[in-house]
Amino acid sequence: DAKTTQPTSMDCAEGRAANLPCNHSTISGNEYVYWYRQIHSQGPQYIIHGLKNNETNEMASLIITEDRKSSTLILPHATLRDTAVYYCIVRAGNMLTFGGGTRLMVKP
Amino acid sequence: GAVVSQHPSRVICKSGTSVKIECRSLDFQATTMFWYRQFPKQSLMLMATSNEGSKATYEQGVEKDKFLINHASLTLSTLTVTSAHPEDSSFYICSARAAGGRQGLDEKLFFGSGTQLSVL
Repeated sequence: DAKTTQPTSMDCAEGRAANLPCNHSTISGNEYVYWYRQIHSQGPQYIIHGLKNNETNEMASLIITEDRKSSTLILPHATLRDTAVYYCIVRAGNMLTFGGGTRLMVKP
Repeated sequence: GAVVSQHPSRVICKSGTSVKIECRSLDFQATTMFWYRQFPKQSLMLMATSNEGSKATYEQGVEKDKFLINHASLTLSTLTVTSAHPEDSSFYICSARAAGGRQGLDEKLFFGSGTQLSVL
């Protein structure tokens, strides 16, 4: 899988949008970008995924740059329950390979 | 979304005993299941991939005789940690891929809630 680079940690104020960046400059044409999050002591939770078009669902929006070398996950109105580690994964095969992720802390 | 049930959520055992962890897909059939291990403050590391009806494929450095994986049906995979030792204490997580759904890379994987293993 293509390597991803994410900031180690970020803070966000409750109610504000959380924008989590991810660099994946070596991504190949058929590799999807997936986002999962992990709340402490739980299994990862699927958030969203995309190939080249921007995607939106009930949880978040995914913005992928035109050259596909980076993407941003947007949580439009962060709540305290969104505090978690967010993993950006570029998927090339059957499995998901997790990097270090971004620890998002939503503060009141 | 699809539900993956993992049991037990927490287990404490004595050194030298074996522990079995179950992973079930509740509302779909899983041709492939993945087992991950996560140490405190670290990311998930893939241990093995199991396909229903065949032997599991282990990642480099994972002892297949110590971590026995069985995937005998399309809804159940088990991981048995044999002769557990304190260094095996970790958070174990399974993930499942649906059968007959979208093929390839445009396909979600669903995760169990994890099992915290503590070996005394």
